Amino acid sequence: EAGVVQSPRYKIIEKKQPVAFWCNPISGHNTLYWYRQNLGQGPELLIRYENEEAVDDSQLPKDRFSAERLKGVDSTLKIQPAELGDSAVYLCASSLDRGVGQTEAFFGQGTRLTVV
Amino acid sequence: AQTVTQSQPEMSVQEAETVTLSCTYDTSESDYYLFWYKQPPSRQMILVIRQEAYKQQNATENRFSVNFQKAAKSFSLKISDSQLGDAAMYFCAYKPLQGGSEKLVFGKGTKLTVNP
Repeated sequence: EAGVVQSPRYKIIEKKQPVAFWCNPISGHNTLYWYRQNLGQGPELLIRYENEEAVDDSQLPKDRFSAERLKGVDSTLKIQPAELGDSAVYLCASSLDRGVGQTEAFFGQGTRLTVV
Repeated sequence: AQTVTQSQPEMSVQEAETVTLSCTYDTSESDYYLFWYKQPPSRQMILVIRQEAYKQQNATENRFSVNFQKAAKSFSLKISDSQLGDAAMYFCAYKPLQGGSEKLVFGKGTKLTVNP
């Protein structure tokens, strides 16, 4: 079974430029998460999808960040314009959540973003 | 809001010895999951072990076991017969079940070093 696939693995951009990250979750997983992980810290949730609906985006900086999950499968996370403080690892995860019998979240390898 | 606290930023252990990583959490929920994830330098978060709050028996996975104390809101991870490959960041995580809130909340992590 293929895991969560993220691309690119690394991205270096100049500040004020746009950037996009892509995530392909595990087939059949209805829940998709985007997390941001700063150096030496734990992941912090940016947005969570249930199928194609964003059910928790309270931590997403909406002035510059946007996300979408087309047809409830793949997802993209965009930053426009990027700031120096956006440098971090962006992690995507998916899980199959059906009430009782929930599974754990499976993570991709993340995208390391460096804004210069 | 739920919070997860890992009070040990770094821990070290000799190869073949046992080490315990601490985790406490704060919640008003009665039903939830707790997880320990391992994050090696490759960045991919890997599930080590999970515990359902309604189960009194502590979870065990080979050399990994937990001490779950629900009343104290404590969830420690014990690694027995430590191996060099166990060296990584370890994150404790919490996930509620009720109210449609399935947000996975992480602690700040503990860096484990295994000395040969």
